[in-house]
Order: sequence, then C-alpha cells, then structure tokens
Amino acid sequence: GDSVTQMEGPVTLSEEAFLTINCTYTATGYPSLFWYVQYPGEGLQLLLKATKADDKGSNKGFEATYRKETTSFHLEKGSVQVSDSAVYFCALYSGYSTLTFGKGTMLLVSP
Amino acid sequence: DTEVTQTPKHLVMGMTNKKSLKCEQHMGHRAMYWYKQKAKKPPELMFVYSYEKLSINESVPSRFSPECPNSSLLNLHLHALQPEDSALYLCASSQVGSGDQETQYFGPGTRLLVL
Repeated sequence: GDSVTQMEGPVTLSEEAFLTINCTYTATGYPSLFWYVQYPGEGLQLLLKATKADDKGSNKGFEATYRKETTSFHLEKGSVQVSDSAVYFCALYSGYSTLTFGKGTMLLVSP
Repeated sequence: DTEVTQTPKHLVMGMTNKKSLKCEQHMGHRAMYWYKQKAKKPPELMFVYSYEKLSINESVPSRFSPECPNSSLLNLHLHALQPEDSALYLCASSQVGSGDQETQYFGPGTRLLVL
C-alpha cells in the first residue's frame, strides 16, 4: 500500500537558518504530493502541493520539488522564522478520496 | 475563500452524554471528511461523504454517527463515548471529479475531552 516516510523530529533551528525536512514516499501510479502545516492548537493548513514529476510547489518561502526518480518531496526554506515553529506533515493522494500522511515533523525555531 | 469552519472549538462531555460536532464550508465542495487526530500523530480518516452520501466508513465504532444534511454541512453525532475517544476532530472538504479533487482543505478542529 501507499506510505510516506518523514524524518523524525523535533528539528531545532535558530532563526534565519536553512530548513530541510525530508519526505519520501511509496505509491503505485503517479500520486499528488502535499505539505501541510499544523500550528499549535490549530487544524492543518495546506502549505504547498505538486501534482506531477518535476513540479515545484512553493508558498510563504517554502519550496518542495516532486522527484519521481528518488520518490521524494523534501521541504525547504532558506531562512526560518520563530513563527514557522509547527508540525509539518507530508502527504500523498493516489485516489479513492484518501490522503496518506507521514508521521509529522515538529520544527522548533529559537530567536 | 478556502475556509472550513468547525464548532465548537472545545467540548467536554461525559460518557453518557450526547453531543454533536458541526462543520461548514462554502467553497462549493461536494466531498467532506471527518478525521480524528491524537496528540503527536497524523490525522486518521473516519468518514467520507461524496455528494451528501456516505462513501467511506473506516470501520468507525457506531458511537460516532456522521450526517451530511446538505452540500455545505457535515455533522458528527457523539453518544456513549469512551475516554480514549478524546482527540482533535478535524473536518475537511474537497472538490469531486475535477482537476483539484485531491486537495483537501481542513478546518481548525474541535478538541474533545471525554470524562
């Protein structure tokens, strides 16, 4: 079946550091890939998505590129802020109304 | 507008109570979802409604009863819950049968505590 593997957290960074959160997937066919962010005490917000190989999703300074050859969708940001502290979920959709989530990676950014 | 709203934000109930969670969206989406999220875990799918009909029930106990009165509203009726049902309950919606049917938009959730 489909699965998503994310790097374990927490990831702890200082403000303005470079961020990478790794995400790899296993799926049949050609899934769409997503990053969702969950701030403390809130629901999930769609951060970015990519629907086919080599697509780059971007939003609020975050980027991720759909790499079919490495089955990866790593999240990056050039300079993190304290306000980016949250849990980040990588997810895939391969049909049947079902999103498959990774376990989530907590990001903690200190001033 | 990509907003999904949920009420109440917080709910405390006893094991003999009956309560309902409500979800609303005005994006014209025809698929709506209920998820359960325990602390430090990803959301787990409970139910999917497509065109106001239940299409997926992920073997959820009958003490959870979903209802979709119209294309904008989704309810989750709760009865005789157990303490282990305490969690964040998330609603989501998406298009159906179009190029963006895979993107789900989530509400802020209802944080439920069962005593």
